[in-house]
Amino acid sequence: GENVEQHPSTLSVQEGDSAVIKCTYSDSASNYFPWYKQELGKGPQLIIDIRSNVGEKKDQRIAVTLNKTAKHFSLHITETQPEDSAVYFCAASNNPQFYFGTGTSLTVIP
Amino acid sequence: DTAVSQTPKYLVTQMGNDKSIKCEQNLGHDTMYWYKQDSKKFLKIMFSYNNKELIINETVPNRFSPKSPDKAHLNLHINSLELGDSAVYFCASNLGSGNTRNSPLHFGNGTRLTVT
Repeated sequence: GENVEQHPSTLSVQEGDSAVIKCTYSDSASNYFPWYKQELGKGPQLIIDIRSNVGEKKDQRIAVTLNKTAKHFSLHITETQPEDSAVYFCAASNNPQFYFGTGTSLTVIP
Repeated sequence: DTAVSQTPKYLVTQMGNDKSIKCEQNLGHDTMYWYKQDSKKFLKIMFSYNNKELIINETVPNRFSPKSPDKAHLNLHINSLELGDSAVYFCASNLGSGNTRNSPLHFGNGTRLTVT
């Protein structure tokens, strides 16, 4: 089965700095890579996703890159704000299965 | 509001009891899932149903039994609860495995189960 590794497990940045979270996957059949943000007491919410035929996608301050050959993908958050503080999960999917990384707890220090 | 809703939000019960968690989605999705999130925040798939048919059944104790009366509902019944069952259980849904394009999971806000 698929194995998704996510690093770092915790990340602290100053407000306004950038944050980068990296994930690797093992199954070349995975073709869809969503990222989720989980705030305290809530369910994970989709923030951005990328499909295997695309190398990069950007949505305002959030961007995701995918390297299919190396089987890794990354989340980039620029100009971080305190409200970006949360736990972030990457996932690799081959419909209908979704395999999640172990999460990154991001703290943005004002 | 369109959403994935699950009840109850909190569930505190004693070892040995039987309990159920309910989930409903009004997004028109075909596939529903149950995930378990442990104290370390790891999200582990338990079950998935596509249009009332079981399609994913991970290694889960048979004390856990899902039931899907229709494609908008997926309930989880747990018999003989154990201390180790304490976790947050998330219901999720997406368009379905019949679609050629992957679609993201939409999660409910979780049910925090505490077994004492």
